[in-house]
Amino acid sequence: DAGVIQSPRHEVTEMGQEVTLRCKPISGHDYLFWYRQTMMRGLELLIYFNNNVPIDDSGMPEDRFSAKMPNASFSTLKIQPSEPRDSAVYFCASSQRQGARSGANVLTFGAGSRLTVL
Amino acid sequence: SQQGEEDPQALSIQEGENATMNCSYKTSINNLQWYRQNSGRGLVHLILIRSNEREKHSGRLRVTLDTSKKSSSLLITASRAADTASYFCATRAGSYQLTFGKGTKLSVIP
Repeated sequence: DAGVIQSPRHEVTEMGQEVTLRCKPISGHDYLFWYRQTMMRGLELLIYFNNNVPIDDSGMPEDRFSAKMPNASFSTLKIQPSEPRDSAVYFCASSQRQGARSGANVLTFGAGSRLTVL
Repeated sequence: SQQGEEDPQALSIQEGENATMNCSYKTSINNLQWYRQNSGRGLVHLILIRSNEREKHSGRLRVTLDTSKKSSSLLITASRAADTASYFCATRAGSYQLTFGKGTKLSVIP
């Protein structure tokens, strides 16, 4: 398996533009997580899905952020409009279902998407 | 909000020495995990310890958990330059989400 695949790896955009980050989780993983990492706040959970359904989006900072998971192999995180304070590294991670014999609760992270909003 | 807090924030040691990092957390947990992050990369899972376990080993890694003190430690023995990275503890309470600390930045000097 190629692991969790994120794109783009780097994105530089101007304030007010729409940003779409993409994630392909590991096949067979039922949980998908979006995290944001900054120096000031560390790793913050934004939202997670179980079987493509959003379970907890309480970490999404505001209405400018939205996430979708149209099928088991694809998820997007969208920021519209983007602001300079959104600059961060955004990670997608996936996990096997709770209670699986091995790998339960363990997250596999993608390489991240580094977003810079000017 | 961060559940786990790593200590120290940064650690610099010579190759061959042991490195110890600590993690404290606030609420009861189901398990505690340690992850490593190399510069510019995603986090990689190292080891998981359940709330009913006190110690666990994996290669050069040793993790302890003291639920009465709400703390854990990660020991890396005989460190190598390749161990240079940031190390994060993550805790899972009732829900399925993991909450991460801010990490310890380890530098191993050859």
